Amino acid sequence: EAQVTQNPRYLITVTGKKLTVTCSQNMNHEYMSWYRQDPGLGLRQIYYSMNVEVTDKGDVPEGYKVSRKEKRNFPLILESPSPNQTSLYFCASRERGLGYTFGSGTRLTVV
Amino acid sequence: GQQVMQIPQYQHVQEGEDFTTYCNSSTTLSNIQWYKQRPGGHPVFLIQLVKSGEVKKQKRLTFQFGEAKKNSSLHITATQTTDVGTYFCAGGDYKLSFGAGTTVTVRA
Repeated sequence: EAQVTQNPRYLITVTGKKLTVTCSQNMNHEYMSWYRQDPGLGLRQIYYSMNVEVTDKGDVPEGYKVSRKEKRNFPLILESPSPNQTSLYFCASRERGLGYTFGSGTRLTVV
Repeated sequence: GQQVMQIPQYQHVQEGEDFTTYCNSSTTLSNIQWYKQRPGGHPVFLIQLVKSGEVKKQKRLTFQFGEAKKNSSLHITATQTTDVGTYFCAGGDYKLSFGAGTTVTVRA
């Protein structure tokens, strides 16, 4: 089944403790992206990647890192999480010119 | 950067009625995409419009791209309870910017 898989689905952590949210797609898509969703703000792009080793900042990249060492994986790294990074995170992938396929989301709480 | 604005933020609809949600951009868009997110779910791609003035239909949903490629609309006829959710428009290429969404509730 064609899908984008994110892990974990839920995560509660403490301020400053490094964490990684994994994302993997099995559709051989070139584009991958991370979004965060907050009430009233819609989906805001954190980082995107156009292919292996090619990444760029989205609209809200501060406090996040990404890497794209393989085409299928696009992990999101929070080196020192803070409470304002409490949010619902979505990973997504697509081919150029087509719509995104989203993962099921990761609900992160930073206390 | 590019901004995509959506109105209204909320739409309360009587079952069987029609409604329209609008999407406006400050810059010309290469394309516009529409997504639907059910409560508790993830966004699901509905359609992409590329050409100026383009109109596409999916059953009761009609999508339109403006002549200047700066605005778009989604019109739903004969609203059903299955239409409940948040509808997002998104514009751009590498950087796909989403609007804040229109959240639709339906009164039976």
